[in-house]
Amino acid sequence: NAGVTQTPKFQVLKTGQSMTLQCAQDMNHEYMSWYRQDPGMGLRLIHYSVGAGITDQGEVPNGYNVSRSTTEDFPLRLLSAAPSQTSVYFCASSSLGLAEETQYFGPGTRLLVL
Amino acid sequence: RKEVEQDPGPFNVPEGATVAFNCTYSNSASQSFFWYRQDCRKEPKLLMSVYSSGNEDGRFTAQLNRASQYISLLIRDSKLSDSATYLCVVILFRGSSASKIIFGSGTRLSIRP
Repeated sequence: NAGVTQTPKFQVLKTGQSMTLQCAQDMNHEYMSWYRQDPGMGLRLIHYSVGAGITDQGEVPNGYNVSRSTTEDFPLRLLSAAPSQTSVYFCASSSLGLAEETQYFGPGTRLLVL
Repeated sequence: RKEVEQDPGPFNVPEGATVAFNCTYSNSASQSFFWYRQDCRKEPKLLMSVYSSGNEDGRFTAQLNRASQYISLLIRDSKLSDSATYLCVVILFRGSSASKIIFGSGTRLSIRP
């Protein structure tokens, strides 16, 4: 199993550009989520999904869209990039319905918005 | 008030010392708890789960206090390799499925020789 994969690893955008951060998992996990992590700060939840076709907002959803058309994929779209979106983005997945639910993280995407 | 709060540190302790962190949570419906470790510029990885009765994994001990709504992590005989950021994680359940997973902002630990 590849686990959770994210692409790209690094990206530089200009203000106003749009892009999609890709996330995929091959563990058949129902739960997937996107976080951003800023220097000196912890993980902040952007959006999450508890299954295909179901998404919900996290703590900092503004400026981001998500969709979950399949169990495997959970792309994050930046609609119009802003310098405040410069961050490291982590995608994570876990199974549902169990008492113990380990989150599996992707390696992260480092985004710089100029 | 944040749903999950941690002392950001940094905790700077000598090798061999014992160090403890706490993490408080606000939602009494929280049902599962974990500690994650994150090394610099890497993704977080599970360190250990936190059980109601408390649990130990080698030099690491995790405890849960539901009445006061906090979890703790104790590291004994600390090693240089323990230097990392420690994140607490709380899961809120709805029915039989997890509806939300919340991370604390992390406690930074630095072990000096």
